[in-house]
Amino acid sequence: GESVGLHLPTLSVQEGDNSIINCAYSNSASDYFIWYKQESGKGPQFIIDIRSNMDKRQGQRVTVLLNKTVKHLSLQIAATQPGDSAVYFCAEGNSGGYQKVTFGTGTKLQVIP
Amino acid sequence: DAMVIQNPRYQVTQFGKPVTLSCSQTLNHNVMYWYQQKSSQAPKLLFHYYDKDFNNEADTPDNFQSRRPNTSFCFLDIRSPGLGDAAMYLCATSSYGDRGETQYFGPGTRLLVL
Repeated sequence: GESVGLHLPTLSVQEGDNSIINCAYSNSASDYFIWYKQESGKGPQFIIDIRSNMDKRQGQRVTVLLNKTVKHLSLQIAATQPGDSAVYFCAEGNSGGYQKVTFGTGTKLQVIP
Repeated sequence: DAMVIQNPRYQVTQFGKPVTLSCSQTLNHNVMYWYQQKSSQAPKLLFHYYDKDFNNEADTPDNFQSRRPNTSFCFLDIRSPGLGDAAMYLCATSSYGDRGETQYFGPGTRLLVL
């Protein structure tokens, strides 16, 4: 059957608190970054993206921060809800290489009611 | 609603028996991808099509093949599935040329190999 997977880093957060999920990317040439949310048994769902000419971008309840100096990306979720429980993946891409992105390891977010 | 559709959602096959997974899209996107995702791991790109232009990842085994007969459909063929091929297979699309490097994923097909 399927090989045993790695243990995902897990973040446990109380409902209503803010969550911060971190990601270190590897390629200095990457200029496009995306956060995906993947619920159990479903495909990844786009949350928010950011390009390298920005260091912050906000969406509805979510904020992405980009620090190119240290190649670090974070996703902040305000007022975390039980429906936010999922695995979150960051992905990096290069607009010169058009379509391809590379996914990071993933972080499992558990929201405690 | 425009979407990425994968059939079947669950597929059981026997060791060594060829299997085909299908993906269709109503987004009219010019790029389609196949990913393999194993438990608690990130999706791993197998190959992608830019229109009819096929792009294979260097480490994708020869056991995996793909076909894209038209814009809407893409197939993943596993010629001789092994136990190690049991995984979730994700199809995604994107629209190159717009701002849209964003990839939109289907719900996945979970493959079991007996």
